[in-house]
Amino acid sequence: AQSVTQPDIHITVSEGASLELRCNYSYGATPYLFWYVQSPGQGLQLLLKYFSGDTLVQGIKGFEAEFKRSQSSFNLRKPSVHWSDAAEYFCAVDNNNDMRFGAGTRLTVKP
Amino acid sequence: DVKVTQSSRYLVKRTGEKVFLECVQDMDHENMFWYRQDPGLGLRLIYFSYDVKMKEKGDIPEGYSVSREKKERFSLILESASTNQTSMYLCASSLGLAGVFIQYFGAGTRLSVL
Repeated sequence: AQSVTQPDIHITVSEGASLELRCNYSYGATPYLFWYVQSPGQGLQLLLKYFSGDTLVQGIKGFEAEFKRSQSSFNLRKPSVHWSDAAEYFCAVDNNNDMRFGAGTRLTVKP
Repeated sequence: DVKVTQSSRYLVKRTGEKVFLECVQDMDHENMFWYRQDPGLGLRLIYFSYDVKMKEKGDIPEGYSVSREKKERFSLILESASTNQTSMYLCASSLGLAGVFIQYFGAGTRLSVL
């Protein structure tokens, strides 16, 4: 069955530290890949997307993600986390107009 | 900017009530979606629509129905609310172009059924 896995339910990092959120998917072909962020009490905002081409994509708020076909992964990274990055992050995969979301990773930022 | 507006941020209803959740988008998008979001489960698709008066079931349609009488508006209906429908409901819209499927989300409606 097609699925999107975010292995980490909750991650805590110190402000200024680097961040990597993991995402793996199980699809036959290369789907379209997305990362969304949800601040408390808000809807989802698109951080970045991968459709084709360069496997390292840049997004808003200083985030980037790298698509690795061999690992079926699309991990989200940020070199230096800010307190305002505390939120829930969702990886999403669109395969032939069938969008699937991961369960989310909640990020806590320590002062 | 795309704007997706959900009419209520918070709703409290009683078991057995008929509940309407409204969603309006202002970008002439063909596609509209209703999801529910529960802790540890991510977003699960309830219903979606590719055109006016058109609807398709998602993964968890039981207990819900939808209405799309106008392109910009997509309503989710709980015919007889139950406590297990207490959740956060998110509406989204997207263009209908094949392969370009960025979904834009509303702020969500947190529904409590007592």
